[in-house]
Amino acid sequence: DVKVTQSSRYLVKRTGEKVFLECVQDMDHENMFWYRQDPGLGLRLIYFSYDVKMKEKGDIPEGYSVSREKKERFSLILESASTNQTSMYLCASSWGREQQYFGPGTRLTVT
Amino acid sequence: GIQVEQSPPDLILQEGANSTLRCNFSDSVNNLQWFHQNPWGQLINLFYIPSGTKQNGRLSATTVATERYSLLYISSSQTTDSGVYFCAVDLINYGQNFVFGPGTRLSVLP
Repeated sequence: DVKVTQSSRYLVKRTGEKVFLECVQDMDHENMFWYRQDPGLGLRLIYFSYDVKMKEKGDIPEGYSVSREKKERFSLILESASTNQTSMYLCASSWGREQQYFGPGTRLTVT
Repeated sequence: GIQVEQSPPDLILQEGANSTLRCNFSDSVNNLQWFHQNPWGQLINLFYIPSGTKQNGRLSATTVATERYSLLYISSSQTTDSGVYFCAVDLINYGQNFVFGPGTRLSVLP
């Protein structure tokens, strides 16, 4: 079975802090994705990566950056967290344009 | 623009009832997935179905790509079916990622 894990289920950070969210997949998938999910707005793509050290902006990249130094790991970075980044963050991976598999999600609260 | 619509937005059923959820999309599709998001937020893969019909236990799905819709059928619903159901569409002319519909929130009452 494909397994996608995320570093934390719940996270509370202060405004202005630098925040790292990590995602690891164990199926040698080439594509990895970061989404955020907010009530009434659904799932929105922040960034995705189709290879090591490669990244593409999604629909809402502002305020975020990403890092992919190894194929199995994709990190989302909030350089200076703000309260409007309080959200559920979901990581996914896939092989090419085939089905995506999701991690359990991280509920981030910025106070 | 690109549109992925789901209907109904909310659905309340009595345990044992059947239901049909619909996903409409505005462009030619490369792939389509159905997910169930459980109360803890985890997205569970239900079907990967760019075309045709698939069945898995009480659930089945049909995608008619030429008419740009997909249906998810839930038979003999159980309380554990409650949650939000999303379709996600990989549109041929929209790059290498999926566009998610707004979801259908299903509540199954005992």
